[in-house]
Amino acid sequence: SQQGEEDPQALSIQEGENATMNCSYKTSINNLQWYRQNSGRGLVHLILIRSNEREKHSGRLRVTLDTSKKSSSLLITASRAADTASYFCATDLTSGSRLTFGEGTQLTVNP
Amino acid sequence: KAGVTQTPRYLIKTRGQQVTLSCSPISGHRSVSWYQQTPGQGLQFLFEYFSETQRNKGNFPGRFSGRQFSNSRSEMNVSTLELGDSALYLCASSLARGPLVRGYTFGSGTRLTVV
Repeated sequence: SQQGEEDPQALSIQEGENATMNCSYKTSINNLQWYRQNSGRGLVHLILIRSNEREKHSGRLRVTLDTSKKSSSLLITASRAADTASYFCATDLTSGSRLTFGEGTQLTVNP
Repeated sequence: KAGVTQTPRYLIKTRGQQVTLSCSPISGHRSVSWYQQTPGQGLQFLFEYFSETQRNKGNFPGRFSGRQFSNSRSEMNVSTLELGDSALYLCASSLARGPLVRGYTFGSGTRLTVV
């Protein structure tokens, strides 16, 4: 079974708008990661946030982590058509070396 | 440097057959993990190898097995294939085990179809 749930399952926006995806998980984690997948291809690592961090930025990406609520959010600012993909959160439990993925959010950015 | 290479890219097999998938990690990476992705179950962890030893195993039947060679290349094998084994199989490599700093690097996957 999946460790986490992602919300929304699908999101459709216009180019230039911001996209926010949320992830909730169930158990204590060592870190949480976000990945992107284009149309059944491999996963691309976007950003990793450790359990003792609350916010992290990478280019147009902003990730927050609230361990008290066991939730994380991924914000993509000024979205582009090329951002169209599925986005997954993955938790690395305290034992490490094994990712548990959420169900993913399908993001569509319309030109 | 070269990424994670998975072969073959696509595979069609018949029920009851067996299949072997290959993964070559990034040079210098010693940890290789395998994941199965299906529309119904999503991404699920299969197993992890480090220094030629299986270190972690997911909740899959014994028909799923793997190994890692001294050069860190890994293979996974599925015996007595079932229709439900149709999936995208993804391999991920990382420099070491344990808490990660930079995340995993995934290959493009092998799309297995069982007919």
